[in-house]
Amino acid sequence: SQELEQSPQSLIVQEGKNLTINCTSSKTLYGLYWYKQKYGEGLIFLMMLQKGGEEKSHEKITAKLDEKKQQSSLHITASQPSHAGIYLCGADIGSGTYKYIFGTGTRLKVLA
Amino acid sequence: EPEVTQTPSHQVTQMGQEVILRCVPISNHLYFYWYRQILGQKVEFLVSFYNNEISEKSEIFDDQFSVERPDGSNFTLKIRSTKLEDSAMYFCASTDTDTQYFGPGTRLTVL
Repeated sequence: SQELEQSPQSLIVQEGKNLTINCTSSKTLYGLYWYKQKYGEGLIFLMMLQKGGEEKSHEKITAKLDEKKQQSSLHITASQPSHAGIYLCGADIGSGTYKYIFGTGTRLKVLA
Repeated sequence: EPEVTQTPSHQVTQMGQEVILRCVPISNHLYFYWYRQILGQKVEFLVSFYNNEISEKSEIFDDQFSVERPDGSNFTLKIRSTKLEDSAMYFCASTDTDTQYFGPGTRLTVL
């Protein structure tokens, strides 16, 4: 099984709809990062969450880290075609030793 | 807006050759990173660098890899003897306090 699991793997939504992407681990997430990757391009940093229960927003994207620091969700409100891409979570899951890994990715397509 | 740049955009090399991938981070940033993404696979963390030394590295970052900040502006990743499995996109990033800025990547092809 994957150490950092994302769901769903892919998502197709109509423009204007809200959506949620989840990132789950069986281990504590020390510093949870969300990124976006356009197909065939580089990474864009979205947000970093560190504290249990923390929530951050940027424009129409909100990310939360649960109290136990084992799950994070990314919520997009009123999606637009510009939101299309691959969303990745990344986190340090090492306890004692640093181990930074990325999630499996969620492909988002927004239909105009 | 300041940006991270990487050169070359595409590097082709023969197996066993040394390659140096170059990155110019944003000028006032202090933390630097290298990641790689093998085609069709997950992004992988390689190394982070702060205050002229490696702060963290992954299991992938073995003795074949090294990083350097030779002149206060460039941040380089060297692969001493490339293997076929080193073929990937290599991304550099730098951060201010809590925002990472990524370069466009260097596609390394090892033949």
